[in-house]
Amino acid sequence: GESVGLHLPTLSVQEGDNSIINCAYSNSASDYFIWYKQESGKGPQFIIDIRSNMDKRQGQRVTVLLNKTVKHLSLQIAATQPGDSAVYFCAENGAGSYQLTFGKGTKLSVIP
Amino acid sequence: KAGVTQTPRYLIKTRGQQVTLSCSPISGHRSVSWYQQTPGQGLQFLFEYFSETQRNKGNFPGRFSGRQFSNSRSEMNVSTLELGDSALYLCASSFGLAGSTGELFFGEGSRLTVL
Repeated sequence: GESVGLHLPTLSVQEGDNSIINCAYSNSASDYFIWYKQESGKGPQFIIDIRSNMDKRQGQRVTVLLNKTVKHLSLQIAATQPGDSAVYFCAENGAGSYQLTFGKGTKLSVIP
Repeated sequence: KAGVTQTPRYLIKTRGQQVTLSCSPISGHRSVSWYQQTPGQGLQFLFEYFSETQRNKGNFPGRFSGRQFSNSRSEMNVSTLELGDSALYLCASSFGLAGSTGELFFGEGSRLTVL
């Protein structure tokens, strides 16, 4: 889930297992949500997005779930690979602001 | 096509100095957003420029400023540097406004160290 303070939450998974990264967003008016992946020494990279009129969207090995009732977003990665090791950020647009607000991130470590 | 290019990649400044960072967006992208990334605060939005106009601004002091040129290249400037300005400054480009498209393309960042 999202971090508060200095330490990123860490998720460690075995290679080949599924990963679930959670995010609690703050603005109930947000209508657009995005997941980003940031590898060490690189800028964040877009993974998948979802609009508020959907509750699920699938990509290649990734699925994003949106629960507007509890303002919760999750990213599921199937068959996690070592290359998936990174920090994952969720972002929301705070409807109407056209400004993206990023969560603090979750560090995913894949154990070979 | 070429990605987002940020220069310089690394720089060291002392307190009180100023710094200018440059960002060249992906060709055809009209929006450039700037973020400050620190271990404690994560990714914090600085401002967004679209067609040479600042469209959004985050909660940073006036020491942080930016501009965008007619070719969509952008610069940000930080004056009177403070130790707390040490961070990775990320630039991201998108075809439309960031909040409407979400698919931002980030550069690798400029790492600023203030001594």
